Amino acid sequence: KNEVEQSPQNLTAQEGEFITINCSYSVGISALHWLQQHPGGGIVSLFMLSSGKKKHGRLIATINIQEKHSSLHITASHPRDSAVYICAVRSSRDDKIIFGKGTRLHILP
Amino acid sequence: DGGITQSPKYLFRKEGQNVTLSCEQNLNHDAMYWYRQDPGQGLRLIYYSQIVNDFQKGDIAEGYSVSREKKESFPLTVTSAQKNPTAFYLCASTMAGNSGNTIYFGEGSWLTVV
Repeated sequence: KNEVEQSPQNLTAQEGEFITINCSYSVGISALHWLQQHPGGGIVSLFMLSSGKKKHGRLIATINIQEKHSSLHITASHPRDSAVYICAVRSSRDDKIIFGKGTRLHILP
Repeated sequence: DGGITQSPKYLFRKEGQNVTLSCEQNLNHDAMYWYRQDPGQGLRLIYYSQIVNDFQKGDIAEGYSVSREKKESFPLTVTSAQKNPTAFYLCASTMAGNSGNTIYFGEGSWLTVV
């Protein structure tokens, strides 16, 4: 079993829909990161969370430390949001950064 | 501006040859990481280093080697022992220690073995 699991693996939605991507992890962490990867391969850091909730524009990220679960929400989705969204955790035991396999999001116009 | 620079972005290698990918950061980060990504797959850890002159194997270290002689540099060598080296390679860095610091990424290197 992977230490970081994301769901869904693939998601196609219509422009304007509310999007939720989930991340569950099984290790102790010092932080959780949500990242965005575009087709060229470049990765951008969206959020870093250790507790609670963060909002940036149309993106919202939440984390529940007790349940070892985080969600990334996109409101009023747009075709430019199409990308792979990756959850990554920083292990509190050995400082490794462990990645989920990513969620491929496709927003249709 | 501070950041991570990976080079080259695209690289072709003949079978049996070693190749070295460069990763340099000017963020004064202690921790640096190398990951490999295969099509449709997640990022897998090859090696990481938390301090100069020290590094640890990740999940898929076989066929790879690294060095950390300077804080700002963490080159990855893909050796001829790596059975299937064609992949996307990504370097990352952050401050060391159990703290929630932002992860910075290089732009990645596409390696193709011909």
